[in-house]
This record gives sequence, C-alpha cells and structure tokens, in this order.
Amino acid sequence: DTEVTQTPKHLVMGMTNKKSLKCEQHMGHRAMYWYKQKAKKPPELMFVYSYEKLSINESVPSRFSPECPNSSLLNLHLHALQPEDSALYLCASSQGALREYEQYFGPGTRLTVT
Amino acid sequence: SQQGEEDPQALSIQEGENATMNCSYKTSINNLQWYRQNSGRGLVHLILIRSNEREKHSGRLRVTLDTSKKSSSLLITASRAADTASYFCAPPRSNYKLTFGKGTLLTVNP
Repeated sequence: DTEVTQTPKHLVMGMTNKKSLKCEQHMGHRAMYWYKQKAKKPPELMFVYSYEKLSINESVPSRFSPECPNSSLLNLHLHALQPEDSALYLCASSQGALREYEQYFGPGTRLTVT
Repeated sequence: SQQGEEDPQALSIQEGENATMNCSYKTSINNLQWYRQNSGRGLVHLILIRSNEREKHSGRLRVTLDTSKKSSSLLITASRAADTASYFCAPPRSNYKLTFGKGTLLTVNP
C-alpha cells in the first residue's frame, strides 16, 4: 500500500470554527509533513514530524496546530482561521526525514475559509 | 534561499513531441528530486538524481544534472495528453526540507 489518504477532500469553515484535517499512511514511514499550496504556487512546507515528534515548524501561525497521535496518523487542527488561509493542504510521508527520501503525497484537502 | 527555479513557466506541445524543462538552484546539493502535480491534486515523485550522477532515466523520463552550473533538466519523450501537469524540481534546502520551485505547466495537446 503506497497510498497517503487525506480527509476531508473539501472543507468550508467560518472564521470562528474549529476543524481538523486528517492524514493517514500505512507504509511504515517515520516522517510526515504538512504543506500549504495556494493556487498557481508551489507547495510550502508547514510542519515536519519525525518519529512522531515535531522536528520542524516553519513559523506557522498558532491557529494551525499539528498533532501526530501515532506513526500512521497526522492531524492538523484549525482554529480562528482567516480567509487568506484558504488553500490546498497537502500531507506527505517519507521513509525518513532526510532530504534523500522521496515523499509520497496525499490528494489534499481543499480548504475554504469564509 | 535555496529554491528551484523552473524554466519555462509554461510549455504547450503536441502529443508525440518531446518536452524539456529546466531547473536552476543556488547552493550545493547532494541530490535533486522532480515531482509532477496534476491539476489540484497531490504531487507524485518522478525521479531522484544524486550529485555524482549526470543522467538518469525512468521510462520516458530523462533527467540530467550539472552541478557545476547548478542546473537540472527533465526531458519527457513521446509526450501524451496524460502528461499534462505541473512539474516541479525540488532541491533540498536543508537536511530535512525540500523546497519546490514555481513549476513548469506542461500542456500536451491531443
């Protein structure tokens, strides 16, 4: 199984809502990532988890809160978002967190903040 | 900062033609990856080329790396409509990070 799954596919939320994005992989990968991608732009790294510990936070606002409950799951908790946070949120995983490992991406969650 | 810069930004060709896209980067690397993204979907890893390799093939893909010029190219031969996608190079920014360039939008017309 070389698949990374993400739920939901689409999410519309108001600025006062709290919601969560979920990501799952069963490839035994020990590194997982969250990226944000705006239209016609490249993905931008948000967080890196390595062995279930947060190893990189790219100065992401605290209204985005990542969580890694176990080696297969990655969540992104959302609270008090702004309309400019509307984007495609991509989850990825790799065998390790080192740069020579290829990353496997999920299909993304299309988030709209109203 | 380290980020790949793809050229051209957009490329439109006919089915069966070859497509070449280029990537330049700024600092020394030990490998470089190429990814493809179909419209609004996740990225798919295409190929990883190491700094001690000059050329690498995978099916209809051919990637070259010139570390002296800090550049790489991706050649897709005998293109198909299904190759329509954005293509990103990803030089590593540090031990744990890839950074993606702005990408080349390839359109293959049937």
